[in-house]
Amino acid sequence: AQTVTQSQPEMSVQEAETVTLSCTYDTSESDYYLFWYKQPPSRQMILVIRQEAYKQQNATENRFSVNFQKAAKSFSLKISDSQLGDAAMYFCAYRSGGSNYKLTFGKGTLLTVNP
Amino acid sequence: DSGVTQTPKHLITATGQRVTLRCSPRSGDLSVYWYQQSLDQGLQFLIQYYNGEERAKGNILERFSAQQFPDLHSELNLSSLELGDSALYFCASSGTGVGTEAFFGQGTRLTVV
Repeated sequence: AQTVTQSQPEMSVQEAETVTLSCTYDTSESDYYLFWYKQPPSRQMILVIRQEAYKQQNATENRFSVNFQKAAKSFSLKISDSQLGDAAMYFCAYRSGGSNYKLTFGKGTLLTVNP
Repeated sequence: DSGVTQTPKHLITATGQRVTLRCSPRSGDLSVYWYQQSLDQGLQFLIQYYNGEERAKGNILERFSAQQFPDLHSELNLSSLELGDSALYFCASSGTGVGTEAFFGQGTRLTVV
């Protein structure tokens, strides 16, 4: 079974600074997808960014980028120019390739953004 | 707005009772997933339905059941409720393309007293 580990229960960053959230995963599969979801106080789960395992290029979405290290099974999220609205719980998630779309989540990292 | 609608948003009920949570997926999405988010267990996959049929099962208790109707909406039934069933229950939906992502509803907060 796949597992996802987020080793940082809490992180904090100053507004306009950069922060990196860590995620490692364990799998024996070669075809899979990785995601970062954001959960603000509103509880809504919002997809931040996704990475296909077969792609070597790291995904980027505006101020959000990932560092995908397939051999090390590491998938970190970098948030640049942090904004107050980035404050939320962030979850790393794994999904197998193929037709099984079940997501396996890490425990989450609570990000605080200080003004 | 993700396009996934869950009702009700909040539910308070007593132990031993039965409740039904409802989910309407995004237009055109055939897959519906249910997840439970609790403080001690985190986010856990419960069950997936695809076009009316059960596709995958996770850590779903026998007291819980789900179904997906012909109009693709889904219901999660929780019975003989215990205090430990208090949690946020999410529904998500996805399309069928390769690598398609799941979009989540706003969740139903269930409190068992």
